[in-house]
Amino acid sequence: GQNIDQPTEMTATEGAIVQINCTYQTSGFNGLFWYQQHAGEAPTFLSYNVLDGLEEKGRFSSFLSRSKGYSYLLLKELQMKDSASYLCAVRAYRGGNKLTFGTGTQLKVEL
Amino acid sequence: DGGITQSPKYLFRKEGQNVTLSCEQNLNHDAMYWYRQDPGQGLRLIYYSQIVNDFQKGDIAEGYSVSREKKESFPLTVTSAQKNPTAFYLCASSIDGALNTEAFFGQGTRLTVV
Repeated sequence: GQNIDQPTEMTATEGAIVQINCTYQTSGFNGLFWYQQHAGEAPTFLSYNVLDGLEEKGRFSSFLSRSKGYSYLLLKELQMKDSASYLCAVRAYRGGNKLTFGTGTQLKVEL
Repeated sequence: DGGITQSPKYLFRKEGQNVTLSCEQNLNHDAMYWYRQDPGQGLRLIYYSQIVNDFQKGDIAEGYSVSREKKESFPLTVTSAQKNPTAFYLCASSIDGALNTEAFFGQGTRLTVV
């Protein structure tokens, strides 16, 4: 099976930078995804990593280290609208390439 | 517009009744998924289908059933055997379950069993 760990909650200040970590244990790793979910809404795709390194997309960046089973999502220039849950999800060859989600990190952005 | 549609958004049912949640996509995606989300928790996989006429159990399939008779449709039935059915149910699809493409989600169905 897969084991995915994220911090439960984080708080940051508007305009600041925050890093949300995700560690995973899986057999047959085949990609890691980050999603944003506002309360009561559907998750929306933020980023995808399958090779080691940093992927940058505007204010959001995601990093992956396959050897360490580790990823982080970096949010810059935080805005109040960034207050949401951030979900780390891992895809693995074993188990038919299903996508398994972590429990999510609830980020609160304060003034 | 292309997308993935779940209906209804809110659903109330009496305990002991089966209920079917609808999920339709017009994105021409091969893979479709059903997840359950409980308050303050992440998404747990119920069933998934990588191609029409085929589906596999996820991590919490007990008390649920699905069908995939058409590429566009992946309905989920919550049976009376599901001990705690009240939850937020999310359907998703992706181009291909084997390729590394992101999953797109429907807006969810909030099921309350009374």
